[in-house]
Amino acid sequence: SQQGEEDPQALSIQEGENATMNCSYKTSINNLQWYRQNSGRGLVHLILIRSNEREKHSGRLRVTLDTSKKSSSLLITASRAADTASYFCATAMASGSRLTFGEGTQLTVNP
Amino acid sequence: DADVTQTPRNRITKTGKRIMLECSQTKGHDRMYWYRQDPGLGLRLIYYSFDVKDINKGEISDGYSVSRQAQAKFSLSLESAIPNQTALYFCATSDGGLSDTQYFGPGTRLTVL
Repeated sequence: SQQGEEDPQALSIQEGENATMNCSYKTSINNLQWYRQNSGRGLVHLILIRSNEREKHSGRLRVTLDTSKKSSSLLITASRAADTASYFCATAMASGSRLTFGEGTQLTVNP
Repeated sequence: DADVTQTPRNRITKTGKRIMLECSQTKGHDRMYWYRQDPGLGLRLIYYSFDVKDINKGEISDGYSVSRQAQAKFSLSLESAIPNQTALYFCATSDGGLSDTQYFGPGTRLTVL
C-alpha cells in the first residue's frame, strides 16, 4: 500500500483563492517532499521538509509537517490558472533513501 | 537540453513483444529510478540503481528487467509485454545527498495491445 495518501483526490477553486492539500503517511520518515505534475509530463520537485522541521515556505507555497499526526499539508496562496496540475507527496524513510509517492491531488484553478 | 531524457516518448506494441525504454541523464547523478504511473495509483517504483554496479527491485518488478549501462544510462525492458503493462513510465535521477530531490524525465507512454 502507498505510504503517502493525499486528500482531497480532486480540488477545484477560483483564481485568487488558496488551495490546501493534505498528505498522511504511516511510518516514521526522514523527510517529506511535494512534487507537481502537469498533465502527462514528468514530476517537478517543489519543496522538501525534514522530520525536524514544522514549516517551510517557497514563494506562494507553504508546507507544514506534523510528525505526531503523520501528516503534511501544502498550501498554495493566491492561486493562478497555471497552478492547475496534480500534486504528489513523497516520503523518504532515511536521508538519501528511495521515495514512496502518494496517489496525488488533482488541482484545477478556474480563471 | 533536458537533463533527463527518455526514448521513445510514445510506443504502441503488441502482446508478447519485447520492449526497451531508455533513459539518459546529464546531471551527473549516481542514482536512477524507473517508475510506472497508472491513473489513480500514483507512481510505483519498478527498479532503482544507486550506482553502476547496483540494481535493486522496487515494489512492482515482476515482468520487468533493467540494465545500467553507464552512470548516465538506465534502460527498462519488458521481456514479453502484456496489456496490463500499459502505463506511463518515468525515469528519474537523484544525487542521494541531503537535498534528496528527484529529477524526472518527460515520460514514455506505452500501450500494449
